[in-house]
Parts: sequence; C-alpha cells; structure tokens
Amino acid sequence: AQKVTQAQTEISVVEKEDVTLDCVYETRDTTYYLFWYKQPPSGELVFLIRRNSFDEQNEISGRYSWNFQKSTSSFNFTITASQVVDSAVYFCALSSWDSNYQLIWGAGTKLIIKP
Amino acid sequence: DGGITQSPKYLFRKEGQNVTLSCEQNLNHDAMYWYRQDPGQGLRLIYYSQIVNDFQKGDIAEGYSVSREKKESFPLTVTSAQKNPTAFYLCASSIKGPGYNEQFFGPGTRLTVL
Repeated sequence: AQKVTQAQTEISVVEKEDVTLDCVYETRDTTYYLFWYKQPPSGELVFLIRRNSFDEQNEISGRYSWNFQKSTSSFNFTITASQVVDSAVYFCALSSWDSNYQLIWGAGTKLIIKP
Repeated sequence: DGGITQSPKYLFRKEGQNVTLSCEQNLNHDAMYWYRQDPGQGLRLIYYSQIVNDFQKGDIAEGYSVSREKKESFPLTVTSAQKNPTAFYLCASSIKGPGYNEQFFGPGTRLTVL
C-alpha cells in the first residue's frame, strides 16, 4: 500500500530561523515520483518540486532545499532563513504505478513564521 | 495569462439541492482533476479526465458527477446524494495524464451546505 506521512501537524518558528518539514513515504514500486506543494492562506496549491526515484541528488532553489533519501524513504524540505511569506500549509505527495499514478497526499504541515 | 479559473469562490447550498462548480483552464492541458479538501486533511481525488469525453472515478466519487465536453472545461456537480458536501473543492490540470507531470491548481471553491 502506498502512503505519505507528514508527522508534523504544525510548526511555528520565528522569522529568519531555518525549518525542516518531514515527509516519509511508502511504496512497493521502484519507479515513483515525489512532489511538494505549498498552500498559502488563499487556498490555491502551488507546485514547488518534483523528484523521480532514480534521482537522489539534493536540490536547492534559493532559500528552499530538498533532501531525498531512498534508504529512509524520506523527502524532507528545508527553508533557510524563513520569512513571514513562507507561512502556509505544505503538502508532500507520491505518485507511482501502484496508485495508477494518481497523487497520494500527506495530511500537510502548517508552517507559521512569526515576525 | 494562462491558468485555471474556478467559480464561484464561495457557494452556499440548501440541503437537497444539486450544485455545479465551474473549472476552466487555458493551459492546453489534456488532463483535469477534481479534489476535495477537508480541514486538517490532505486532498482526496473525486474524478479525473485524461481526454475529452472520458473521465474516471477517484477515491470518493459517490455523490458527485462530472462532464468533459471541451478540453478547457471540467465542471463538477455535487448532487443531493453527497451526504457531507461542505468542503473546499480544488480543480487541477496537467499536460498529460497522471504520473510524472506536475498538476496546476485553481483557486478553489468553498462549498457550504446550510
């Protein structure tokens, strides 16, 4: 069975702190795709990153970075020097043959950045 | 600008009434999706469509219906058979069907049953 677990329901940090959002996934497939989306208070989900299972390179985009570790089935997301505008709900999702390539979503982590 | 539009933003419905949520995209994407989001939960797939005049049920299709008569449009009808329809509804699209392609989302419609 496929599953995505985001164990942190809510995280609150002070602006400029670094913060890591955890994502642990389960799948039997060897080929799969992992995604992160951001949902600001307005409600619209914004795509952040896609990673396929054969590419374990970490990725950095500005203040955002992602750590993909197949050995621990994790795809964690770090925001460096957080800003108030980073406040949102962040979702991790998984897609593979076992789910007919539909997205399996985690429950989301609500991130609150305090000024 | 290219994107996905959903209307209305807020919708109120009396029990027993059907209501249709609009979703339009001008991204020339083949695939479109409807999700339901309840507070504190992830998204759940209601229906999706990979081509015009074809669509498949998702995990929670009961009480919902869709049509895909045009590539740009994928309206969702919440019928009176849906027992707990109050939720936030999100429409999405992707270049091709599910899988590698990321999905792009509309702003959502918040439905409240009175």
